[in-house]
Amino acid sequence: SQTIHQWPATLVQPVGSPLSLECTVEGTSNPNLYWYRQAAGRGLQLLFYSVGIGQISSEVPQNLSASRPQDRQFILSSKKLLLSDSGFYLCAWSANEKLFFGSGTQLSVL
Amino acid sequence: GQQLNQSPQSMFIQEGEDVSMNCTSSSIFNTWLWYKQEPGEGPVLLIALYKAGELTSNGRLTAQFGITRKDSFLNISASIPSDVGIYFCAGQKGSNYQLIWGAGTKLIIKP
Repeated sequence: SQTIHQWPATLVQPVGSPLSLECTVEGTSNPNLYWYRQAAGRGLQLLFYSVGIGQISSEVPQNLSASRPQDRQFILSSKKLLLSDSGFYLCAWSANEKLFFGSGTQLSVL
Repeated sequence: GQQLNQSPQSMFIQEGEDVSMNCTSSSIFNTWLWYKQEPGEGPVLLIALYKAGELTSNGRLTAQFGITRKDSFLNISASIPSDVGIYFCAGQKGSNYQLIWGAGTKLIIKP
C-alpha cells in the first residue's frame, strides 16, 4: 500500500532563516506530488505541483520554492523566511483522481 | 483563487442528529471529493464521486454528485463525538492539479 511521509511535524523558525520541508511517498512510482498551505481555520491553497523529476509548477508567486530530486521525494524550501510564511504545510500525492495528504508541518515564523 | 461555495461554515449539533452540508459552483466538475480534517492533521479522503447523479456511502456518510455537475452534498447520519472536525469539498475539472476547494464546514458537537 502507498504511504506518504512528511516531516517535521512542527517547526519554529526566525524570520530570515532558511527552510527545508521534506516529503516522501512509498508504494507507488511516478506520482504527481503537491505542496499545499493552509492558514489557520482556512481552506487549502495549492503552492506547487510536480508531474515528474525536476518538473515543478508554481501556482502562486511567493517566497518559497520546490524541488523534486527523486521520483518520490518532494522538497519545499525558502532561502529567507517571512512572517507571512507561517502556516500549516501539507504534502500530497494523487492517483486515480484522488488526492492523499501527509500529516502536515505546522510552521511558525517568529 | 477560485473557490467552491461550501455551506454551512460551521454547525453545532447534538449527538445523534443527522448532518448535511453542500458545495455549489457556477462551473461544471468531473469529480467531487469530500475530505475530513482533524486538528493538526492532514485531510483524509472520505468519499470520491465520478458521475453526475452518483450516490456513494461510506459507513454513516453519504455523498451525492449533483445532476447538473455543479454541486455535491455530504450527509452524516446519527452523528457521534468523533465526527467533529472540518469537512472540505473539492471539485476537479480536468487534471489532478486543478482541484478547486471549498472553505470547509466545521462540525462541532454540543456537550
